[in-house]
Amino acid sequence: SQQGEEDPQALSIQEGENATMNCSYKTSINNLQWYRQNSGRGLVHLILIRSNEREKHSGRLRVTLDTSKKSSSLLITASRAADTASYFCATDTDTGFQKLVFGTGTRLLVSP
Amino acid sequence: KAGVTQTPRYLIKTRGQQVTLSCSPISGHRSVSWYQQTPGQGLQFLFEYFSETQRNKGNFPGRFSGRQFSNSRSEMNVSTLELGDSALYLCASSLGRSYNEQFFGPGTRLTVL
Repeated sequence: SQQGEEDPQALSIQEGENATMNCSYKTSINNLQWYRQNSGRGLVHLILIRSNEREKHSGRLRVTLDTSKKSSSLLITASRAADTASYFCATDTDTGFQKLVFGTGTRLLVSP
Repeated sequence: KAGVTQTPRYLIKTRGQQVTLSCSPISGHRSVSWYQQTPGQGLQFLFEYFSETQRNKGNFPGRFSGRQFSNSRSEMNVSTLELGDSALYLCASSLGRSYNEQFFGPGTRLTVL
């Protein structure tokens, strides 16, 4: 079963604009990770934020985490056509083990 | 460093058959996890192996099984295939701690006819 929902389900923007995706989850977590998937291929790890962190940056990516609201957001600044993909959040809830529970994903389309 | 490799990339089987998928993790990684991705259910955790031991298992029937070898390579097996087993099967490798990133392979696309 899915840990949570992502919002929006689909997002269409122009190159140069910012894209924001939100993720909500249901249970306490150790960390939250964001992944990108291009059209039916493998997942590419983008960023990991631990439960005691509130914000993290990596290049054009900014992730925030609000554990009180059980939510996270991914901001991609200055989007490019190459950013077109599906984006998933995944939570790690089991201490000591590796078991990611994925959200439903956001399909991002960046038009030139 | 070579990434995670999965073989085969594509597979077509018929109902009732069985299938074995293989995953070679990144060198030095001892944890291998398997996920199933379908349009209806999304990404679902199957199981995780660490140092040849299954540490965690998702909610899948016993037809889904796996193992890990001493070199950390892993296989998953699905017996008595059903149409609903058609999916993209992804494996991921990591160092094995809960805060470690998981690196995914390209997946095996299984079609059951």
